[in-house]
Amino acid sequence: AQKITQTQPGMFVQEKEAVTLDCTYDTSDQSYGLFWYKQPSSGEMIFLIYQGSYDEQNATEGRYSLNFQKARKSANLVISASQLGDSAMYFCAMLSFSGTYKYIFGTGTRLKVLA
Amino acid sequence: DTGVSQDPRHKITKRGQNVTFRCDPISEHNRLYWYRQTLGQGPEFLTYFQNEAQLEKSRLLSDRFSAERPKGSFSTLEIQRTEQGDSAMYLCASSSALYEQYFGPGTRLTVT
Repeated sequence: AQKITQTQPGMFVQEKEAVTLDCTYDTSDQSYGLFWYKQPSSGEMIFLIYQGSYDEQNATEGRYSLNFQKARKSANLVISASQLGDSAMYFCAMLSFSGTYKYIFGTGTRLKVLA
Repeated sequence: DTGVSQDPRHKITKRGQNVTFRCDPISEHNRLYWYRQTLGQGPEFLTYFQNEAQLEKSRLLSDRFSAERPKGSFSTLEIQRTEQGDSAMYLCASSSALYEQYFGPGTRLTVT
């Protein structure tokens, strides 16, 4: 069975510091994608970054990077130079490209950036 | 285009009533998705359309839930005979590719 695990229910980081949000996953599929989304208090989910299982390079999007370790089945999100506006819930998600459509989310990590 | 829109934003209904939610995707997106999100949890995938074809519906929570996308544009999600356990945020998303989904603001359902 597929599963996404986010073990950090809450994290604090000082403004301008970097922070890593953990995500581990479990799947028997060979082809899949990993995603991170941000959900501010307003409720709208915002796509941040994507990593394909066959991508050799770690994905980067501005201040976001995804530390993909396939053998360890981890896909941690790194936010550099944290800003107050980064305070939000962050969800890791996985989409299987094999067979039926399976898109699953973790339980999220609440990040609070401190001034 | 202003993004994915959902209507209504909030719905309060009595147990046993039927409710219908609407989602208008980004106009050039051919894929549309419905999710349910309960407090403290990540979104739970319900169903998925590519154009007007419903390609995955096995995740719909029960036969009380149904979704349509009759002309490949907007979609509706209906819940019949609502139960208190149906209280949640219902999210719609759209995409033009598999990788990136754009979410709407959600419809918050409260069943009393």
